[in-house]
Amino acid sequence: DSGVTQTPKHLITATGQRVTLRCSPRSGDLSVYWYQQSLDQGLQFLIHYYNGEERAKGNILERFSAQQFPDLHSELNLSSLELGDSALYFCASSVEAIQETQYFGPGTRLLVL
Amino acid sequence: QKEVEQDPGPLSVPEGAIVSLNCTYSNSAFQYFMWYRQYSRKGPELLMYTYSSGNKEDGRFTAQVDKSSKYISLFIRDSQPSDSATYLCAMSDGGNTPLVFGKGTRLSVIA
Repeated sequence: DSGVTQTPKHLITATGQRVTLRCSPRSGDLSVYWYQQSLDQGLQFLIHYYNGEERAKGNILERFSAQQFPDLHSELNLSSLELGDSALYFCASSVEAIQETQYFGPGTRLLVL
Repeated sequence: QKEVEQDPGPLSVPEGAIVSLNCTYSNSAFQYFMWYRQYSRKGPELLMYTYSSGNKEDGRFTAQVDKSSKYISLFIRDSQPSDSATYLCAMSDGGNTPLVFGKGTRLSVIA
């Protein structure tokens, strides 16, 4: 157990809908990272927050947004969902902004029908 | 050319074998090299973390970095069925740029 929690574990929804994925980092970790993992693309970095502020953005679609709250938990919002958004979404956390030692949560499996 | 290349496998070996997993990369600015293990339906787990060139050993695992060849390896000695997983390499230049992951190599260790 990495200490990073993610909810929900599974999510099934329809195209055009909006969902929110939640992540709680390990105790004491200030950084949260979001990734999308699909079979053909591998693990793709989406966005990084450090202590409430956005630090880096990766291949995140405009339909997706994220935020980190004062208690350091983070939410990833996915809207106008498409079939291609079906994937595993992972959050990871690290001490400070030292991203070389990230600890991953168990992931949320999203299926868009 | 992709930044990080990793043979997807699958790689199947008998229990007790020495396993060699590899990644090549194109960005000479990479300085930090990580190996993650991912069991089916689980999140990646950090296995090894090395800085610059050289070897690092941790139990049955050895990570090797050859920056001149832009090539990194993970060796698993006395492989066990519990080592069956997907192994992902990851790299960073140490700045604020995100980690770059390989697509992973799927390993099966057969008892």
